[in-house]
Amino acid sequence: EAGVTQFPSHSVIEKGQTVTLRCDPISGHDNLYWYRRVMGKEIKFLLHFVKESKQDESGMPNNRFLAERTGGTYSTLKVQPAELEDSGVYFCASSQDLLSHTQYFGPGTRLTVL
Amino acid sequence: AQRVTQPEKLLSVFKGAPVELKCNYSYSGSPELFWYVQYSRQRLQLLLRHISRESIKGFTADLNKGETSFHLKKPFAQEEDSAMYYCALRTTTSGTYKYIFGTGTRLKVLA
Repeated sequence: EAGVTQFPSHSVIEKGQTVTLRCDPISGHDNLYWYRRVMGKEIKFLLHFVKESKQDESGMPNNRFLAERTGGTYSTLKVQPAELEDSGVYFCASSQDLLSHTQYFGPGTRLTVL
Repeated sequence: AQRVTQPEKLLSVFKGAPVELKCNYSYSGSPELFWYVQYSRQRLQLLLRHISRESIKGFTADLNKGETSFHLKKPFAQEEDSAMYYCALRTTTSGTYKYIFGTGTRLKVLA
């Protein structure tokens, strides 16, 4: 079984540019989460999809971040325009259902904003 | 406030020595706690959860509600235990779940 995949693995962009991160969850997993780890800080929750619906987006930093999950399959996280403080590692995780305690994490996308 | 605190950024122990990775939480509801581990060049993965009361790879963790702690312990550390360890709290609000992670502790087991 393929695990959670994320693309790209690394992205280096300049301040003001746009970047789109993609996450493909494990097939059949309705729940999809985005997290971010800024250097030296905790892994911070960004948002949670159940199928194509945003269940909780309370962790999104501001309106420069837009997440979508059209069709309830893969998800994208767009940052527009990117700022220096957006640099970090963005993780995606999926789980089969809400009762499942096991989240399966992707390898992360390392975003560097110069 | 909902918070997970891991006070140690780095913990170095010798092989065969006991290890304890500290985790404290702050949450007014009924907590669900987890330990996640990230080995070098691997992805973050679940190590254990308090509801299972299991021992995985020799690690155990007991939820202490009085001290609001969920420390991870292993009596004899092995070199392959070297990794980054994250404590996580799952909270429930209006039927939705959210995971709150600590800042992580890097464990180095020295030969």
